[in-house]
Amino acid sequence: DVKVTQSSRYLVKRTGEKVFLECVQDMDHENMFWYRQDPGLGLRLIYFSYDVKMKEKGDIPEGYSVSREKKERFSLILESASTNQTSMYLCASRPGTSGNEQFFGPGTRLTVL
Amino acid sequence: AQTVTQSQPEMSVQEAETVTLSCTYDTSESDYYLFWYKQPPSRQMILVIRQEAYKQQNATENRFSVNFQKAAKSFSLKISDSQLGDAAMYFCAYRSPQGAQKLVFGQGTRLTINP
Repeated sequence: DVKVTQSSRYLVKRTGEKVFLECVQDMDHENMFWYRQDPGLGLRLIYFSYDVKMKEKGDIPEGYSVSREKKERFSLILESASTNQTSMYLCASRPGTSGNEQFFGPGTRLTVL
Repeated sequence: AQTVTQSQPEMSVQEAETVTLSCTYDTSESDYYLFWYKQPPSRQMILVIRQEAYKQQNATENRFSVNFQKAAKSFSLKISDSQLGDAAMYFCAYRSPQGAQKLVFGQGTRLTINP
């Protein structure tokens, strides 16, 4: 089974802190995604990556950056956390050339105080 | 840009009955994929069912089926014989076969199953 794991289920940070959210997948997927989920808004794409060291902005990249140094790991970085970044963050991965299902991690609920 | 709309924030159904969740989308593409994802409380999001736009036949997966109306840009999910384990947030999603192939999600529908 495909497994996508995220480093924390719950995280509490202070305004202005640098925050790292880690995502690891074990199925050698080329594509990885970071979404944030907010009530009434569904899931919105922050950034995605289709290969190591490659990244593209999604729909709401402001205030975020990403890093993909290894194929299995995709990190989301909040350079200076703000209260409006309090949200659920979901990571997903998908094969590049076959299949079209995205596999999701369990999510990280981030609270910025 | 494509958009996906789920107009029912919440739905409820009696156990063993049938419920239909609505989804509409907007696109100028003729070929695309549509998905329904399920997110149980405090659990991982999983794929329920998918539909390729070029296929006229509606997809089915056990108790889950879709009503895909391409001209109307409608993609509803029918859950038959509802079970307590069906309680979850359900998200409709669109994916283009072009470019980055990212998913565009609707707002979600929270489904409650009444025993």
